[in-house]
Amino acid sequence: GAGVSQSPSNKVTEKGKDVELRCDPISGHTALYWYRQSLGQGLEFLIYFQGNSAPDKSGLPSDRFSAERTGGSVSTLTIQRTQQEDSAVYLCASSSPEEVGLGTEAFFGQGTRLTVV
Amino acid sequence: GIQVEQSPPDLILQEGANSTLRCNFSDSVNNLQWFHQNPWGQLINLFYIPSGTKQNGRLSATTVATERYSLLYISSSQTTDSGVYFCAVRPGYSTLTFGKGTMLLVSP
Repeated sequence: GAGVSQSPSNKVTEKGKDVELRCDPISGHTALYWYRQSLGQGLEFLIYFQGNSAPDKSGLPSDRFSAERTGGSVSTLTIQRTQQEDSAVYLCASSSPEEVGLGTEAFFGQGTRLTVV
Repeated sequence: GIQVEQSPPDLILQEGANSTLRCNFSDSVNNLQWFHQNPWGQLINLFYIPSGTKQNGRLSATTVATERYSLLYISSSQTTDSGVYFCAVRPGYSTLTFGKGTMLLVSP
């Protein structure tokens, strides 16, 4: 597609339920990032996928959070047994393949606003 | 990990004024981006500028990679410039690290 697409745009869930958030990166982009932004705060890194390399999961806040990327394209972020503190906007970004020593520009989706009640 | 510091944290301007936002980072980077987060939460790409100077209309940016800082200039500010401005950097093959942002309010 033309840009990074995230779904759903909004999700309200009950405490204790599991949720899945989807990210469709820009076609051909090999890098994919997930971030979380709580109200009035900055962006908190969650997980980073780069091609076929092992993902960088160092930002996942607990073992209730997991993410996968199927076929090097679509990614799903899963939050199990949701808690009220999980309420935030979850943002996904993608960037194109890199040449050695050079970076590439990342583009963000519109985000999924998750509310845990 | 790399540290990213943005200043000032908050800025209030009258419409038509100019401003400079600063981003300092603690290590060499191969990617530096400036984003504008509008009041609806959308992150809009302003500049991809790991080094050098770029201009886009009323906005321009300069990154001095050897001294580990970048500046974003906003000239003749408009109310639509309000929002949060983020700097993000990427050292090598790693994730993109964000500063805490500068919140800008432009009043008419």
